[in-house]
Amino acid sequence: DAGITQSPRYKITETGRQVTLMCHQTWSHSYMFWYRQDLGHGLRLIYYSAAADITDKGEVPDGYVVSRSKTENFPLTLESATRSQTSVYFCASNLAGPTDTQYFGPGTRLTVL
Amino acid sequence: AQSVTQLDSHVSVSEGTPVLLRCNYSSSYSPSLFWYVQHPNKGLQLLLKYTSAATLVKGINGFEAEFKKSETSFHLTKPSAHMSDAAEYFCVGNSGYALNFGKGTSLLVTP
Repeated sequence: DAGITQSPRYKITETGRQVTLMCHQTWSHSYMFWYRQDLGHGLRLIYYSAAADITDKGEVPDGYVVSRSKTENFPLTLESATRSQTSVYFCASNLAGPTDTQYFGPGTRLTVL
Repeated sequence: AQSVTQLDSHVSVSEGTPVLLRCNYSSSYSPSLFWYVQHPNKGLQLLLKYTSAATLVKGINGFEAEFKKSETSFHLTKPSAHMSDAAEYFCVGNSGYALNFGKGTSLLVTP
């Protein structure tokens, strides 16, 4: 029972590089979400997806790209990483959308030097 | 949109004493409200969820929260704190397409 997993768990990269964070869930949940967590801000939504091939922006989408070709995967790409994108990134999923309980992955700690 | 405000960034209690974590919400309609907990270096876990079925919501690990419309509050309580309750707690509202998180309350439990 893997649930929702994220990889890598830790990543250090340099400014300007492209980075992809992976998220995989085994529940066949329709909805998937990407958040970033920064001190003093709680969690802020980056992108979400209601189903395969359907994605939409959240509160802080600039500098990020997502895709969802398969229901179980929702990768997040930083096309040209900046220091301000140093953060902890959480992926989440659920069946029924925003009013339903979300199930979170363990997070990826990303450092951009 | 449903915004939430957590009134305390840090709360410290002694083991065995009651816990109160405060959250106010703002909404022009009946909200969906949640409390999530995050233990150090872990993901978030749902503690409880309010969806208008009952104003007193019971969650896991002895936590409960009361929805008070007159006060626009959704405070989280526990009668007796345990050392394992030390964590970050987030009050969360429904923003229409996803969850809207409060900034978190760090709970410290001292022996």
